[in-house]
Amino acid sequence: EDQVTQSPEALRLQEGESSSLNCSYTVSGLRGLFWYRQDPGKGPEFLFTLYSAGEEKEKERLKATLTKKESFLHITAPKPEDSATYLCASVDSNYQLIWGAGTKLIIKP
Amino acid sequence: GAVVSQHPSWVICKSGTSVKIECRSLDFQATTMFWYRQFPKQSLMLMATSNEGSKATYEQGVEKDKFLINHASLTLSTLTVTSAHPEDSSFYICSARSQRTPSYEQYFGPGTRLTVT
Repeated sequence: EDQVTQSPEALRLQEGESSSLNCSYTVSGLRGLFWYRQDPGKGPEFLFTLYSAGEEKEKERLKATLTKKESFLHITAPKPEDSATYLCASVDSNYQLIWGAGTKLIIKP
Repeated sequence: GAVVSQHPSWVICKSGTSVKIECRSLDFQATTMFWYRQFPKQSLMLMATSNEGSKATYEQGVEKDKFLINHASLTLSTLTVTSAHPEDSSFYICSARSQRTPSYEQYFGPGTRLTVT
């Protein structure tokens, strides 16, 4: 069964403390992997799409990487405004999104 | 680019009434739109997929007669919650996918908070 698992469920960091969020997937016929950011009471905001192992994409303090089994979202020197829930989703062979449960990131000033 | 709007952003209705939520893609044509609901502290749950001009495809366990979806144009989809009950209270989010996007990215609206009293 296709599945996406995110870890940790929650992560508390001090401002400036870099870390990584993990997204493991078991999806046949992977067509892509997405990262989204969701603030409370709002819809998810698109961040990145990764297509193949070895690919990396960056946006400000965020960098997403992809291997054959997992994706990482690295956050460098985070600020309080980076606090949000980060969701990953894989695109299967039928172009359906399979969502992870998300990682709630809290950055303390 | 890739902006999706939803209206209303929140709505309170009485049990037994119907509520319509609109989802619009503002700067692109959306051949496919999706409707999700999200309970507090939980991830997104796909309810249905709609393609312009055809009937929506509902996920298992979602009542199609209760959640009516119409995708009449390439920029508008509507979700009508019929005979709403308190258990239908939730955060409803739509997303849209452009036929021009080869990666099949979905762009989300801001969501609609439905409270049924």
